[in-house]
Amino acid sequence: GENVEQHPSTLSVQEGDSAVIKCTYSDSASNYFPWYKQELGKRPQLIIDIRSNVGEKKDQRIAVTLNKTAKHFSLHITETQPEDSAVYFCAARTNNDYKLSFGAGTTVTVRA
Amino acid sequence: DGGITQSPKYLFRKEGQNVTLSCEQNLNHDAMYWYRQDPGQGLRLIYYSQIVNDFQKGDIAEGYSVSREKKESFPLTVTSAQKNPTAFYLCASSPGTGPYEQYFGPGTRLTVT
Repeated sequence: GENVEQHPSTLSVQEGDSAVIKCTYSDSASNYFPWYKQELGKRPQLIIDIRSNVGEKKDQRIAVTLNKTAKHFSLHITETQPEDSAVYFCAARTNNDYKLSFGAGTTVTVRA
Repeated sequence: DGGITQSPKYLFRKEGQNVTLSCEQNLNHDAMYWYRQDPGQGLRLIYYSQIVNDFQKGDIAEGYSVSREKKESFPLTVTSAQKNPTAFYLCASSPGTGPYEQYFGPGTRLTVT
């Protein structure tokens, strides 16, 4: 099955700086790559997703890039703010699979 | 926060008792999922269901059971056979296969003493 690895496990950035989280996947048939943000004690919520026919997608301060050849995708957060502090999970899924394969998560701390 | 609900938010049980966690969705989604999350850890899949009256084991199904008698409902029973049941349990749903978002419920925090 699909195996998703996520790095780093923790990330501390100064407010205003950028944060980058990287994920690799194993199944070349994967074609859907969502990113979830989970605040302490809350549910994971989708912040951005990308499909395999697209190389990059942006939504305000958040962007995701996908390299299908290398089988990796990354989340970029620019101009970080304290409210960006949370755990971020990447995931991958193939077209015929009901399951999402999640990375282990990255705890992001934005220092004021 | 409508769409997918879980109840109760907090649940306390004594060791040796079975307990059932509720999950309901009004999104008309075919697929539903149960995850377990331990403090500081990721999401581990317990069971998932693609359609009514059908479900499959996930990565950590031992000590858990589910049913899917209605499209809207996917209750999870934590049995006394589950060695370490204290955790945060998240239910989710999605339209089915393909590049679709998986929506999560607010979670149930189960404490067994």
